[in-house]
Amino acid sequence: AQSVTQLGSHVSVSEGALVLLRCNYSSSVPPYLFWYVQYPNQGLQLLLKYTSAATLVKGINGFEAEFKKSETSFHLTKPSAHMSDAAEYFCAVTRTGRRALTFGSGTRLQVQP
Amino acid sequence: GAGVSQSPSNKVTEKGKDVELRCDPISGHTALYWYRQSLGQGLEFLIYFQGNSAPDKSGLPSDRFSAERTGGSVSTLTIQRTQQEDSAVYLCASSFRGQENTEAFFGQGTRLTVV
Repeated sequence: AQSVTQLGSHVSVSEGALVLLRCNYSSSVPPYLFWYVQYPNQGLQLLLKYTSAATLVKGINGFEAEFKKSETSFHLTKPSAHMSDAAEYFCAVTRTGRRALTFGSGTRLQVQP
Repeated sequence: GAGVSQSPSNKVTEKGKDVELRCDPISGHTALYWYRQSLGQGLEFLIYFQGNSAPDKSGLPSDRFSAERTGGSVSTLTIQRTQQEDSAVYLCASSFRGQENTEAFFGQGTRLTVV
């Protein structure tokens, strides 16, 4: 079985501040981890993914995430928030033999001017 | 096409009616997925196709839900005798070969409202 927990359904930051969105996973086997972003009335877009090649993963739009096995975490960060980052962010997991994504409940990011 | 295309973008239907939702995946993508996004349940997996077969239907919530895929391309999700709890955004995604570590590309979804 596998699951994803996203702490904080809503996060608000000021423009230019650090963004930190939390994701913890549980998986009985090594996972593949993803962060997706959803802008209003749009589908999901991949930000980045962890597939065991490197623990620090860089994605689009200046986002990155670090896989920490000891903490079963895959938190998403961005050094400086931009107004255009306002969206909903989803952490998701798959594993060998389970091709469908299991999503967390999502975190809505607000960026204040 | 350039991306995953879903139609209609919005659908309002009366309780008890049947609806069909269509997904046209990215050309060449053998894997196709249906997900449902609702306020109460978040993003839920419904069904996965590899080619025309569906090796994983574990997410279909009831026997009122069915899906098919023809020619390894277009897929149709059918909901029979719709209920108000079926109201949600239905998202389709496709990926190349459907391996677990590959990116899934999502369509913009069909917003279904059952009145």
